[in-house]
Amino acid sequence: GAGVSQSPSNKVTEKGKDVELRCDPISGHTALYWYRQSLGQGLEFLIYFQGNSAPDKSGLPSDRFSAERTGGSVSTLTIQRTQQEDSAVYLCASSFGRGETQYFGPGTRLLVL
Amino acid sequence: GENVEQHPSTLSVQEGDSAVIKCTYSDSASNYFPWYKQELGKRPQLIIDIRSNVGEKKDQRIAVTLNKTAKHFSLHITETQPEDSAVYFCAASGGSYIPTFGRGTSLIVHP
Repeated sequence: GAGVSQSPSNKVTEKGKDVELRCDPISGHTALYWYRQSLGQGLEFLIYFQGNSAPDKSGLPSDRFSAERTGGSVSTLTIQRTQQEDSAVYLCASSFGRGETQYFGPGTRLLVL
Repeated sequence: GENVEQHPSTLSVQEGDSAVIKCTYSDSASNYFPWYKQELGKRPQLIIDIRSNVGEKKDQRIAVTLNKTAKHFSLHITETQPEDSAVYFCAASGGSYIPTFGRGTSLIVHP
């Protein structure tokens, strides 16, 4: 079956612009996670959605970052007024349920000039 | 919150040697410990995982051991091959269901 997909694969934007990153999880997976990976670094947790529950936003670095998940499926991560330090690879992952194996998407490589 | 330390940050071995990567965690409530392999420019992929009711798990050349008392777990790769070269991440999760990842180990296998 289809894995987790993300779009766009690459995004170049100018400082101050808003960007939207999309994640399509594996069908039937109730949990969805967003992570940020800077060059040569580990995975920094951003936000977690589980079913219809309120998302855990504890990892969002600032109020410029927000995410939503519509209909329990597709998720969009929005970064407003982008800064150069936002440049990173943004990874999405989904799992069948709480505490289950995570399957990662290919990521969106964001470059803020 | 959980804190995961991973060592070493880089590991260089000769083909055929064994490689061991170690992680420690701080939250005694953590009960799920996956390991991911990330090749350059690719997505992280699960290679093996272990839950807290098991002390060891093996899958061909890969094994993971867990010591709950000491709060550490290790990845063991035997008979390494050049295609094992990648960055390996450990993670720990528990009550919050949000994994905390280690900073990664860059494994280089020299032919």
